[in-house]
Amino acid sequence: ILNVEQSPQSLHVQEGDSTNFTCSFPSSNFYALHWYRWETAKSPEALFVMTLNGDEKKKGRISATLNTKEGYSYLYIKGSQPEDSATYLCAFADYGGSQGNLIFGKGTKLSVKP
Amino acid sequence: DAEITQSPRHKITETGRQVTLACHQTWNHNNMFWYRQDLGHGLRLIHYSYGVQDTNKGEVSDGYSVSRSNTEDLPLTLESAASSQTSVYFCASSEGLAGPYEQYFGPGTRLTVT
Repeated sequence: ILNVEQSPQSLHVQEGDSTNFTCSFPSSNFYALHWYRWETAKSPEALFVMTLNGDEKKKGRISATLNTKEGYSYLYIKGSQPEDSATYLCAFADYGGSQGNLIFGKGTKLSVKP
Repeated sequence: DAEITQSPRHKITETGRQVTLACHQTWNHNNMFWYRQDLGHGLRLIHYSYGVQDTNKGEVSDGYSVSRSNTEDLPLTLESAASSQTSVYFCASSEGLAGPYEQYFGPGTRLTVT
């Protein structure tokens, strides 16, 4: 069974703090790694899709890196703002067991205090 | 603007009843997915479809069925609802095969089986 682990499970930071989360996934048969942002009472929205080892993506204050050989991705938020409060999901797809479909982690819940 | 909608948004039903959850997308995406979201779990794939007349089982398909008669709709049917199927259900669609393509999620349906 393919497993995607996210850490930490939750995080509380002050406005202005920079923070990062980790997503760990199986390193064999890698296909793609997704990050989604999920605000309370809304639906998940895609932040990044990464497919190549060493990929780095950036959207405003949020960026992500990918290491497929060791099976991890980092999501960074620079200068957190209260509107960044959300659950951040990562999802992994491989060419084998997942048949290209996404396997989601349980998420990291970020709370940013003003 | 293109969108993906789900109905109903909330449903309470009794054990043993047949229930159908609707999902409609105007993205003209061939690929559609149904997930369930439960405490302590990430989003788990129930069924998916890569096009009209195509349906496939996901990780947690027991007790569920789908049919795809057109591009826009993928209804999810619970043949005989069980309390274990109390959950929040999300429909999603993507432009291409799931791996490298971001998924667009509907607003979710909260189902309670009593």
